[in-house]
Amino acid sequence: EAQVTQNPRYLITVTGKKLTVTCSQNMNHEYMSWYRQDPGLGLRQIYYSMNVEVTDKGDVPEGYKVSRKEKRNFPLILESPSPNQTSLYFCASSYGGVPYFGPGTRLTVT
Amino acid sequence: DAKTTQPPSMDCAEGRAANLPCNHSTISGNEYVYWYRQIHSQGPQYIIHGLKNNETNEMASLIITEDRKSSTLILPHATLRDTAVYYCIAYFAYSGAGSYQLTFGKGTKLSVIP
Repeated sequence: EAQVTQNPRYLITVTGKKLTVTCSQNMNHEYMSWYRQDPGLGLRQIYYSMNVEVTDKGDVPEGYKVSRKEKRNFPLILESPSPNQTSLYFCASSYGGVPYFGPGTRLTVT
Repeated sequence: DAKTTQPPSMDCAEGRAANLPCNHSTISGNEYVYWYRQIHSQGPQYIIHGLKNNETNEMASLIITEDRKSSTLILPHATLRDTAVYYCIAYFAYSGAGSYQLTFGKGTKLSVIP
């Protein structure tokens, strides 16, 4: 089954403790991206990747890092999480057409 | 990407057709109209997309006006499970290297009523 998976689905952490949210797709898509969703602000793109080793900033990249060492995986890294990064995060992948979204990761930073 | 305008909310009786309008008067010639929906806090779910011809799939139909300034998503027989926020997005997807970012607006909250 074609899908985008994210882990963990829920995470509560403390300020400053590094964390990684994984994203994996089994559709051999070249393009992957990360979004965050906040009440009243809709979905905003954090980072995207056009292919392996090719990444670029989206609209709200501050405080986040990404890497794309292999086509199927696109982890989102928070080196020093802060409470303003409490949000619902979605990974998406696509190839020149339809972006497919993962199930989401709800992150709470206290 | 072109800005889209949607009504903030709509109601639809269960079993009836739900017609969700979208205005995209500034859409450019290479921008497609995409529709997604989000049920509660789940990941946005792709529904359908089109450029200028009407499109139909197992989920819905998309009617695009001839001048491409507006479109309507039609769910032919709405069920309670169709209650969700529906997003209309004008999106330039180019082949080969990949697709550009999606810009989600506030969408239309569709409530299907028993």
